[in-house]
Amino acid sequence: DADVTQTPRNRITKTGKRIMLECSQTKGHDRMYWYRQDPGLGLQLIYYSFDVKDINKGEISDGYSVSRQAQAKFSLSLESAIPNQTALYFCATSDSGQGTYNEQFFGPGTRLTVL
Amino acid sequence: QKEVEQNSGPLSVPEGAIASLNCTYSDRGSQSFFWYRQYSGKSPELIMSIYSNGDKEDGRFTAQLNKASQYVSLLIRDSQPSDSATYLCAVNIDYKLSFGAGTTVTVRA
Repeated sequence: DADVTQTPRNRITKTGKRIMLECSQTKGHDRMYWYRQDPGLGLQLIYYSFDVKDINKGEISDGYSVSRQAQAKFSLSLESAIPNQTALYFCATSDSGQGTYNEQFFGPGTRLTVL
Repeated sequence: QKEVEQNSGPLSVPEGAIASLNCTYSDRGSQSFFWYRQYSGKSPELIMSIYSNGDKEDGRFTAQLNKASQYVSLLIRDSQPSDSATYLCAVNIDYKLSFGAGTTVTVRA
């Protein structure tokens, strides 16, 4: 089945460490997104990419960076992790062929804890 | 003002009843609208998409859109215990989704 996968699924790290979260998809979609979710706050967009050469900041990009290594791969890095980056992180994809509809499909998520 | 607001909940409904979820949005340029279901600790799952005014039905789910009032709703008919989850309203603005904070629904037996 075409799918969105994320690694790792759980990660505990310490303040100041560099962390990379990875996302891969077999849906053939060209658009990819990174979100974080905090309890009671819904999903907030961190970065998004409409194709391999396109990277855009979302509403909460400070402290994060991304790399789009291929159409199917989009990685999120925390340069120097801090405790308030403890959250659930989701990758999502969508297909530009849908035009304005932009249905997005989510990976299983990474639970990140920064001590 | 948040871009997307949902009734805060939690919403408790008896099994077999109708659950009604509401969402308002601020950007009149919004092009498409979605409802996601999210079980605790899991990822959001797309359950309904709606793009034009009116109703759209899919099984026990009905989405309603009123662009003039900037309002989208979700009705869950014949609610089942498996419908107990948080429902997220999402609005597409310039190919990015803005999400509401979610409404938690509990279906009690």
